[in-house]
Amino acid sequence: GDSVTQMEGPVTLSEEAFLTINCTYTATGYPSLFWYVQYPGEGLQLLLKATKADDKGSNKGFEATYRKETTSFHLEKGSVQVSDSAVYFCALKDYGQNFVFGPGTRLSVLP
Amino acid sequence: NAGVTQTPKFQVLKTGQSMTLQCAQDMNHNSMYWYRQDPGMGLRLIYYSASEGTTDKGEVPNGYNVSRLNKREFSLRLESAAPSQTSVYFCAAEWGGGETQYFGPGTRLLVL
Repeated sequence: GDSVTQMEGPVTLSEEAFLTINCTYTATGYPSLFWYVQYPGEGLQLLLKATKADDKGSNKGFEATYRKETTSFHLEKGSVQVSDSAVYFCALKDYGQNFVFGPGTRLSVLP
Repeated sequence: NAGVTQTPKFQVLKTGQSMTLQCAQDMNHNSMYWYRQDPGMGLRLIYYSASEGTTDKGEVPNGYNVSRLNKREFSLRLESAAPSQTSVYFCAAEWGGGETQYFGPGTRLLVL
């Protein structure tokens, strides 16, 4: 079945550092790919998504590009802030199937 | 427009007790989902309802039942709680067909 693998962390960075969280997937079809963010004590919120190969999703300074050739959807941000501290989930959804979530990556940004 | 709401926010149960987790959405979305979140395991799907009047098992349905009361409401019932059901439970709603899922704030359940 479909699956998502991501670095589990925790990832600890200093403010203004560059962030990369790796995500790779396996899927039988041509899924849409998502990054969700979970702030402490809250539910998941959609951060960005991409629906086809070579699409780039972006939001709040975060970016991820749908790479079909490497089956990856890595999350990047050029300069993280303390307020970016959260758990980040990579996810995919194949047509007619349910969402599949990765295990989540906890990010801590220190001032 | 509250999105997806869940009650209660926190609950403590004793082994063998029953309870129902409530979820409601005001987005007129067709599909609704119940997940549990455990450390290091991401979100696992318990049950889902693709549309009003239908429900289906997800990855981890044992020990749970659901009711899609109407388009807005989707409840999760634990008939006889077990310590293994200690978790954080999230409800989500989706228009359908590969669109974004919107999540509630979660219910933290502790079974002693």
